[in-house]
Amino acid sequence: DAGITQSPRHKVTETGTPVTLRCHQTENHRYMYWYRQDPGHGLRLIHYSYGVKDTDKGEVSDGYSVSRSKTEDFLLTLESATSSQTSVYFCAISESPSEETQYFGPGTRLLVL
Amino acid sequence: KQEVTQIPAALSVPEGENLVLNCSFTDSAIYNLQWFRQDPGKGLTSLLLIQSSQREQTSGRLNASLDKSSGRSTLYIAASQPGDSATYLCAPGGSYIPTFGRGTSLIVHP
Repeated sequence: DAGITQSPRHKVTETGTPVTLRCHQTENHRYMYWYRQDPGHGLRLIHYSYGVKDTDKGEVSDGYSVSRSKTEDFLLTLESATSSQTSVYFCAISESPSEETQYFGPGTRLLVL
Repeated sequence: KQEVTQIPAALSVPEGENLVLNCSFTDSAIYNLQWFRQDPGKGLTSLLLIQSSQREQTSGRLNASLDKSSGRSTLYIAASQPGDSATYLCAPGGSYIPTFGRGTSLIVHP
């Protein structure tokens, strides 16, 4: 299994509070992704990174920001959490997206009350 | 924007059947197509990756085909087992970003 961890694994928070989720990899892969998974919508890309300090927006980036200061860590921040951001968040990594598969982390379940 | 459709959305079969899961996509300008498996409450696990220049890939009882020009991929599962019960997702990859279908939820009962 690819070395990907996500923290925390479960979190309950209140509307309006900032939340940061962490993805950590030990594979030294260049690309890192944040997805959210919701019933009826499937897996949707929030942000991705193609190198240290290089990030770009995905399909559902509003209300989210990311940072990547080291190869191994990719942080997702909900600036002011809303109930619509209640979801399961997955991190994924890939060394060469055109040639190699993605590897996924175990997910973080976030509940915003 | 890439749109991915997976049919059927759900499938329940007795053990031993051979299965076909379908995936269609609207933009044929892809680098590859991946098939994943997701167990309840877990992350995604890669099953097969087909490059755009390939027609099929095989791994054990799994065989995936790709017809890029028609925007279709098929995952064939031979001799299904209860342990195959999971959700199967396809993800065509273009511009280094895969787009995921909503999956086919498979139950194989003994």
